Parts: sequence; structure tokens; C-alpha cells
Amino acid sequence: DIQMTQSPSTLSASVGDTVTITCRASQGISSWLAWYQQKPGKGPKLLIYKASSLESGVPSRFSGSGSGTEFTLTISSLQPDDFATYFCQQYNAYPTFGQGTKVEFK
Amino acid sequence: EVHLVQSGAEVKKPGESLKISCKGSENSFTNYWIAWVRQMPGKGLEWMGIIYPDDSDTRYSPSFQGQATISADKSITTAYLQWSSLKASDTAIYYCVRQGGIYSYGYQWGQGTLVTVSS
Repeated sequence: DIQMTQSPSTLSASVGDTVTITCRASQGISSWLAWYQQKPGKGPKLLIYKASSLESGVPSRFSGSGSGTEFTLTISSLQPDDFATYFCQQYNAYPTFGQGTKVEFK
Repeated sequence: EVHLVQSGAEVKKPGESLKISCKGSENSFTNYWIAWVRQMPGKGLEWMGIIYPDDSDTRYSPSFQGQATISADKSITTAYLQWSSLKASDTAIYYCVRQGGIYSYGYQWGQGTLVTVSS
């Protein structure tokens, strides 16, 4: 399995902040990476695919970058609706997920 | 818009069998893959396996091979995940997920089915 390591596991932030979450793959995955947002009691929602492509309907304050083994998700001007848990997923092989990053109120 | 509607929460005892379902909302159900993803209490996401309902081509993550069985009935646009003998460690939320291919991301997620296995 390709192991995905996210950091940090928890991130404390305020409305208006810019936050960055990092995801590292145990081997190169080209740009085959997705990011999801999950809120309590809900299924994940796709935000970004192919490392940097924004899913339709997702606000432009979300952006993704990276290739190979290092990837980032950036949320610019954090909004109240953005406090949630974020997961990365590689799909270069059978999909595997990072352990998640919880974005909480500072 | 495609919707995936999953069956309701289940409470079972160890050793019991179970089959949960995921119904697609449109006839193009046979044109995409349906994966199953596990989320244990307070934990992350684990991809279990995937099926192409049109021909029932099924693949499993090596970590989940033999742990549960994925199937589908395209005539009623429904995919299934079943266990023959549940264990306490099967307690989790299970999501069905629409994917464009075996190695792909999840376009659309079901609402999840909570399975609780307890004596």
C-alpha cells in the first residue's frame, strides 16, 4: 500500500486566516491526489482532484498544489463553514487516505 | 445529479451475518464504479474495494481481501457489502462512493451506514 501522511493532525485557526495542510506519499504518485472535507455526521465531500483541479461548486478559496510525493491544500480567508476535517487520498494505486487534519477554532 | 442512498443503521452480534445496500438514483448506475470505504469510530478513511455493476467486475484492497464481499444488482441499481460472520472490529460507518475508475477519486458519496457489532 502507498502510505499517506498528513500534517498537522490538528490546526487551530481564526476566520480570515490562510491555512495550509500537507500530505506526503510514501512513493511517487504523480498528480493522482484528491482532497476531501468531512463534517461531523456527514460523508466526505470532494474538494480537489488531480492535485490542483477544483471540483465544480467548490469555492475558489480552496486550492491544491504539488506532485510526486509532496502536496498541499491551502484555504485562503478561512470561513466559518470551513471548520471541518480534511483528508488527502492517493489514487495512483488502490486508493489510500491520509489520517486527516482537523481545522478547529482558535 | 447522481445520488447514492444507503440502507439504515444496523446493530448485530458477533458471528451474525449482514448485508448493507447502496442504491443509485439513475439508470447510468452501470456506467461507473461503486467503491466501499470504512471509517472506524473516530478514525480515518479506508478504501475496501470496488465493483463495476454492469459486469460485476470486483476488486479488493489487499487489506480487506476476505473480510467482506462486494456485489451488485444492476437491475435495481443497487450495490451491496456483506459479511458472513461479523466481528466487533467491524463496527464502523461504511460509505459507498461513486468513482470513475478503479484508481480514481470519489465523485459522490452516500450518507453512510453505521454498523455496530456488540454482544
